[in-house]
Amino acid sequence: KNQVEQSPQSLIILEGKNCTLQCNYTVSPFSNLRWYKQDTGRGPVSLTIMTFSENTKSNGRYTATLDADTKQSSLHITASQLSDSASYICVVSEGYGQNFVFGPGTRLSVLP
Amino acid sequence: DAGITQSPRHKVTETGTPVTLRCHQTENHRYMYWYRQDPGHGLRLIHYSYGVKDTDKGEVSDGYSVSRSKTEDFLLTLESATSSQTSVYFCAISEEQGGHTEAFFGQGTRLTVV
Repeated sequence: KNQVEQSPQSLIILEGKNCTLQCNYTVSPFSNLRWYKQDTGRGPVSLTIMTFSENTKSNGRYTATLDADTKQSSLHITASQLSDSASYICVVSEGYGQNFVFGPGTRLSVLP
Repeated sequence: DAGITQSPRHKVTETGTPVTLRCHQTENHRYMYWYRQDPGHGLRLIHYSYGVKDTDKGEVSDGYSVSRSKTEDFLLTLESATSSQTSVYFCAISEEQGGHTEAFFGQGTRLTVV
């Protein structure tokens, strides 16, 4: 069964610190992997997208990595800000890319 | 937000009543989706549409029906709402961007069935 797992479930860090979120997947055939940020009460918004051949992608203070061999991805947030408080969702596309498998998300809280 | 509007944003309804949620898009996207989001679960696909009058079931379609009579509107109907359908519902569209299929989400509809 196609699945996406994320860890940790929740994370609390102080403003200015770095953190790394993890994603493991068993989706096949693999098309691409994305990370979304979801603020409370809003829909998810895309941060990065990576295909099989890409192993890192940055978007400002967000850097995603992909290891297609081990089927793992990480999202690293540098110099966290209060506005980074949100849920971060790992999403893997199956097949031709129209079928999305969502992870449960990691809830990040950044404290002052 | 790719021109996606969901309505209503919040609704409380009684068990057994029918409920219809609306998703409206302004950019002529072919693919539209309805997801539900529950604590501890990733977004789960209810139904999707690949064109006017073309729809298919997703992972959790039982108890839901959809209709797409116009490109811009995708309706989700709970024929007889149950408490297990209390959830946050998201509409999404997908489009090709830079060789990838990108998904954009609406703001969500929080539905409470009492």
